[in-house]
Amino acid sequence: AQTVTQSQPEMSVQEAETVTLSCTYDTSENNYYLFWYKQPPSRQMILVIRQEAYKQQNATENRFSVNFQKAAKSFSLKISDSQLGDTAMYFCAFMKQNDMRFGAGTRLTVKP
Amino acid sequence: NAGVTQTPKFRVLKTGQSMTLLCAQDMNHEYMYWYRQDPGMGLRLIHYSVGEGTTAKGEVPDGYNVSRLKKQNFLLGLESAAPSQTSVYFCASKNSGSYNEQFFGPGTRLTVL
Repeated sequence: AQTVTQSQPEMSVQEAETVTLSCTYDTSENNYYLFWYKQPPSRQMILVIRQEAYKQQNATENRFSVNFQKAAKSFSLKISDSQLGDTAMYFCAFMKQNDMRFGAGTRLTVKP
Repeated sequence: NAGVTQTPKFRVLKTGQSMTLLCAQDMNHEYMYWYRQDPGMGLRLIHYSVGEGTTAKGEVPDGYNVSRLKKQNFLLGLESAAPSQTSVYFCASKNSGSYNEQFFGPGTRLTVL
């Protein structure tokens, strides 16, 4: 079974700075999908960014970008120009067909 | 559009009681999912459905049953609640196609005493 590991339970960053959240996964699959979800205190799960494993180009969504290293099974999230509204839990997720596995999450606090 | 809604938002049960959580989506999505979220852990898949009348087991299915009698609804049942089922339950839906985003409901906080 696939496993997803987020090794940073908590992180903090100053407003306007850049922060990188780590994620590694374990799988024997070749084709799969990776996601980062944000969960603010409201508890709502919000998709931040996604990546198809067969695409070498790293996905980018405005201030959010990923560093996808398929051979290393690594999928880190970089948040540029951090904003107070970025304060939330961030979950990395791996999906193959309908089996979605989440990491334990990283609690990110953006400080003014 | 309301998106994905969950009923109820909160519930307290006694051990051994039964209950049903309702998930409804108005986006005409084919796929629907039930997850649970426990402290210090990410979401774990309980059951899912790839279409009306179909269901399948996820990572942690024991103690739960599901039904998908209508495309827009996905029900999660607890026949005999246990304290280990205290959790926040999330429903999600998406269109077919693995790359498509899962849309999540607001969650149901269930406490079993």
